Amino acid sequence: EVQLVESGGGLVQPGRSLRLSCAASGFMFDDYAIHWVRQAPGKGLEWVSGINWNGGDVAYGDSVKGRFTTSRDNAKNSVYLQMNSLRPDDTAIYYCAKVKSSGWLEGWDAFDFWGQGTMVTVSS
Amino acid sequence: QSVLTQPPSVSAAPGQKVTISCSGSSSNIGNYFVSWYQQLPGTAPKLLIYDNNKRPSGIPDRFSGSKSGTSATLGITGLQTGDEAHYYCATWDTSLSAGVVFGGGTKLTVL
Repeated sequence: EVQLVESGGGLVQPGRSLRLSCAASGFMFDDYAIHWVRQAPGKGLEWVSGINWNGGDVAYGDSVKGRFTTSRDNAKNSVYLQMNSLRPDDTAIYYCAKVKSSGWLEGWDAFDFWGQGTMVTVSS
Repeated sequence: QSVLTQPPSVSAAPGQKVTISCSGSSSNIGNYFVSWYQQLPGTAPKLLIYDNNKRPSGIPDRFSGSKSGTSATLGITGLQTGDEAHYYCATWDTSLSAGVVFGGGTKLTVL
């Protein structure tokens, strides 16, 4: 059974940092790209970042570029989202999601499995 | 403002059919596969349709997808109260910086 489990969320002050983790199981982890998607309270889905199968290609949404860094450790079946210079508008549930058929970013076709999400609240 | 445009809400009676549109451009829908997601309240999104019109195993054939040019459509027939949810379209986009783009979401109400 495919599982994605996010952790690391919480309450953080503006300007501080937080690191999210996504632990995967039930599939060949290093065959697939993994992405982060967030959802602000009462709002729609927003793509945050994606990382290819070996970590050699990473992409970011414009709203987080230069502040967030995505990495992965295939030996630990995990993906990480390092969030720096956090702002109140970064407040959201953060989901990690597995790409259905590809290990490459531009081979994206769909997200077939999602984690349950972890809440990040940026507030003083 | 989302890159992909969806109606904010649609509604229909149980047993009826509804369609949800998703409009984009040549930098996204026009050249890439579209997928659709259902999000029930308080839960993570769930894949309904991929590659424009394919259903993952376990998704009933009441759900269908289509794409024409720079627009895509999700269809749901035989509406059930359990279908009340938000629905999102998504695709890859290559304008400015490449990445996944989502529609703003459509709230389906089954009256």
